[in-house]
Amino acid sequence: QKEVEQDPGPLSVPEGAIVSLNCTYSNSAFQYFMWYRQYSRKGPELLMYTYSSGNKEDGRFTAQVDKSSKYISLFIRDSQPSDSATYLCAMSDFNQGGKLIFGQGTELSVKP
Amino acid sequence: DAGVTQSPTHLIKTRGQQVTLRCSPKSGHDTVSWYQQALGQGPQFIFQYYEEEERQRGNFPDRFSGHQFPNYSSELNVNALLLGDSALYLCASSFTAASSQPQHFGDGTRLSIL
Repeated sequence: QKEVEQDPGPLSVPEGAIVSLNCTYSNSAFQYFMWYRQYSRKGPELLMYTYSSGNKEDGRFTAQVDKSSKYISLFIRDSQPSDSATYLCAMSDFNQGGKLIFGQGTELSVKP
Repeated sequence: DAGVTQSPTHLIKTRGQQVTLRCSPKSGHDTVSWYQQALGQGPQFIFQYYEEEERQRGNFPDRFSGHQFPNYSSELNVNALLLGDSALYLCASSFTAASSQPQHFGDGTRLSIL
């Protein structure tokens, strides 16, 4: 079993839809949770960074962390064609320094 | 403010050869981590350098080695290349090796092994 599970999709939604992306994990020691966006032939771009449980909002993006369920989510409101990309969740354990553990990534396509 | 830069962008090698990839961290960052991303997969951690030392290592063989220079830039070396080493190699930088600091990625070097 992988430490971080993420549905690879692909996920296709119409423009303006609310998108929900999710990851589950098995290591209860994870404390830092990130979402990255990766366009084709580009490196991952940091979207959201949260510590422990709770919600964080940045513009159209909201990240949620539920440590009791070992479940994290990223919501995208009013999705745009420019949001079409692969979304990667990542997490790290305080005791392991900067080692990030990534999910497989979810491919999202927003249709005009 | 320059972000993380990697060179070269693309590289083609044959089995058994050796390769060196280079990374310059984001301005103000002193820690460099390297990841391997196979097609359709998430990045896998190779190792991290801080204060010119390897601080952490993932599950990669000794064929993978690295170096960090006094100006915080870094190199990833892979010896005796195998077909399975074909991947996107990503460099990420952060301020200190603490897990509390977010990592910022470059656009990677795409390595193809023939």
